[in-house]
Amino acid sequence: GAGVSQTPSNKVTEKGKYVELRCDPISGHTALYWYRQSLGQGPEFLIYFQGTGAADDSGLPNDRFFAVRPEGSVSTLKIQRTERGDSAVYLCASSLGLADSYEQYFGPGTRLTVT
Amino acid sequence: GESVGLHLPTLSVQEGDNSIINCAYSNSASDYFIWYKQESGKGPQFIIDIRSNMDKRQGQRVTVLLNKTVKHLSLQIAATQPGDSAVYFCAESKNSGYSTLTFGKGTMLLVSP
Repeated sequence: GAGVSQTPSNKVTEKGKYVELRCDPISGHTALYWYRQSLGQGPEFLIYFQGTGAADDSGLPNDRFFAVRPEGSVSTLKIQRTERGDSAVYLCASSLGLADSYEQYFGPGTRLTVT
Repeated sequence: GESVGLHLPTLSVQEGDNSIINCAYSNSASDYFIWYKQESGKGPQFIIDIRSNMDKRQGQRVTVLLNKTVKHLSLQIAATQPGDSAVYFCAESKNSGYSTLTFGKGTMLLVSP
């Protein structure tokens, strides 16, 4: 079946601009996660959704970052006033969201470059 | 294109060898551990997991060992193949009803034919 998809695959934007990154999770997965991966590093947690609500947003670096999941499926990560330090690969993952069923399935990521 | 493996520890092996990748985790409260494989330009792919009440778990050609005393995790790959070449990450999580993952730094595995 279809895996997690993310669009766009690449995004180049100028410093100060606003960007939106989209994630389509696996159908039926109630849990959705956003991670950020810098070159040569492991992914770092940003935010977790269970259904429509953000259950844990402790990883968001500052208030320029925001994410929504209005219908409990597709999620959008929004970054305002982008900075060069925001350049990274943004990964989305989804899981069934059930106790004892923790396996997260990752999408291919969106590579964001801020010039 | 860019590689996620830049500046990572690298393990180089010959095809057919057994590979061992090590990871030190940080949180003694973590009770769920996972190994992921990441190929260039792709997202991490689940390989195998283990809970803290176990010290060994085997999958197809892979074995994960957990030593909670020294907070150490290892991934053993038997009969390594060129297709195993990738960056491998360990990740840890607390069993809190969901699993926000904390990833380690990663090791690049290079398999020569």
